[in-house]
Amino acid sequence: DAKTTQPNSMESNEEEPVHLPCNHSTISGTDYIHWYRQLPSQGPEYVIHGLTSNVNNRMASLAIAEDRKSSTLILHRATLRDAAVYYCIRGDSGNTPLVFGKGTRLSVIA
Amino acid sequence: GAGVSQSPRYKVAKRGQDVALRCDPISGHVSLFWYQQALGQGPEFLTYFQNEAQLDKSGLPSDRFFAERPEGSVSTLKIQRTQQEDSAVYLCASSLPGDREQYFGPGTRLTVT
Repeated sequence: DAKTTQPNSMESNEEEPVHLPCNHSTISGTDYIHWYRQLPSQGPEYVIHGLTSNVNNRMASLAIAEDRKSSTLILHRATLRDAAVYYCIRGDSGNTPLVFGKGTRLSVIA
Repeated sequence: GAGVSQSPRYKVAKRGQDVALRCDPISGHVSLFWYQQALGQGPEFLTYFQNEAQLDKSGLPSDRFFAERPEGSVSTLKIQRTQQEDSAVYLCASSLPGDREQYFGPGTRLTVT
């Protein structure tokens, strides 16, 4: 049970922002929200994580709803290289097993 | 620096054969995880080590699956008497204590014919 809900697929034009939604309505107070992505024929790679506050790093931004029941991964300018499956995962830390769902397959159109 | 490496990258086995899949984690990473990814699905947890101790093997699908990490570094996932349903990509990940990020290898694609 992934315990998160994401759209199966999304499409974006190159160089436009992308907002990838995730619902985690049963999240506990101590669960972090992690995002990983998996490019074709590669293992997943970490994107970002957060607990309550919005977070930014060089790859993306994470906007977390005030009630923590949903979050949005924001890619500010999609590139062709961002085409991947994006997984939203709720969990404790990097030292516990990650529970993946099916993720959102993002297609980027040139 | 060097990331997580896995070998072989591809393995074809005939049904009934035994296979061994190797994972070299990032040096110094205490935690090591194995995941199985079927086609079109997200990875699913198999087992987890902290140093040489196997702390959780609840995800191993049957007693044909066995994992070890005898010296707390390299790990081997062994599948005995392979079946067609074992065909999948096997992913290894490692992490540091207290780190919120797992670093994944490229995976081993196992095809059982």
